[in-house]
Amino acid sequence: EAGVAQSPRYKIIEKRQSVAFWCNPISGHATLYWYQQILGQGPKLLIQFQNNGVVDDSQLPKDRFSAERLKGVDSTLKIQPAKLEDSAVYLCASSLEAGRNQPQHFGDGTRLSIL
Amino acid sequence: AQSVTQLGSHVSVSEGALVLLRCNYSSSVPPYLFWYVQYPNQGLQLLLKYTSAATLVKGINGFEAEFKKSETSFHLTKPSAHMSDAAEYFCAVRETSGSRLTFGEGTQLTVNP
Repeated sequence: EAGVAQSPRYKIIEKRQSVAFWCNPISGHATLYWYQQILGQGPKLLIQFQNNGVVDDSQLPKDRFSAERLKGVDSTLKIQPAKLEDSAVYLCASSLEAGRNQPQHFGDGTRLSIL
Repeated sequence: AQSVTQLGSHVSVSEGALVLLRCNYSSSVPPYLFWYVQYPNQGLQLLLKYTSAATLVKGINGFEAEFKKSETSFHLTKPSAHMSDAAEYFCAVRETSGSRLTFGEGTQLTVNP
C-alpha cells in the first residue's frame, strides 16, 4: 500500500512569511496527525483529526498555526506568520482509527528553515 | 501527563555487539509503549509495540523489548548490531485517554565497523 505522502520535502522562507504543508494519508485511514520535530528532540503532536473533525489541538499555537482536513482525507497545515523558532521538521502520520493500540504511520516530513 | 525518558542521547556499539537502548516511562496505569526508528531525512517507522499482552515483545529487524512494570522500563535490545541499524530511536507512550503519542528525546545509535 502507498504510504503517507507529504509535500514539499523542503521549504525555506523568511520570518514573518507564511507557509503551507500538505499531507495525503494512507487510503482508508480515518485518523490524521501533525507533529513538529525540532532538531534533537522527539516529535510533538500539534493536532489530531478524526475524519474531518479535530480531536486534539491543545498543543497547536493557534495564534499562528492552523490546519484543516476537508472531506476527511488530505490535510493542510499552515503557519502565518512564521517565526525563527518554527524551524523544524513537520511530520504527518495516519492510523486506521484512533484506538490506543493502533500504530501510526509516518510520512517523510517537510523540513522548514526560517531565515 | 505520561512521559518517557530515554537514557543516553548517543549510544555507540561495534558491529556484532549487543544493542541496548534504555527507556523509562511514568504512568499511573498500564501504558501502551512503542519504539520507533528514524533514518536520516525520513519519517518514523514502527519497530514494535507493547499493548498489555506478552511482556517480551518482538519487532522488526531483530529488535525486541521487555516491559518491566516494577522498573517502569521498556528497554530495546538487539543481540548483534548491523551497520544498517545506525539511526535514531524513539520510545513513545500513548496516553490513557485519546491516542496522543508522547515521545522521548531520542537516542542516536552509531554502529562502528
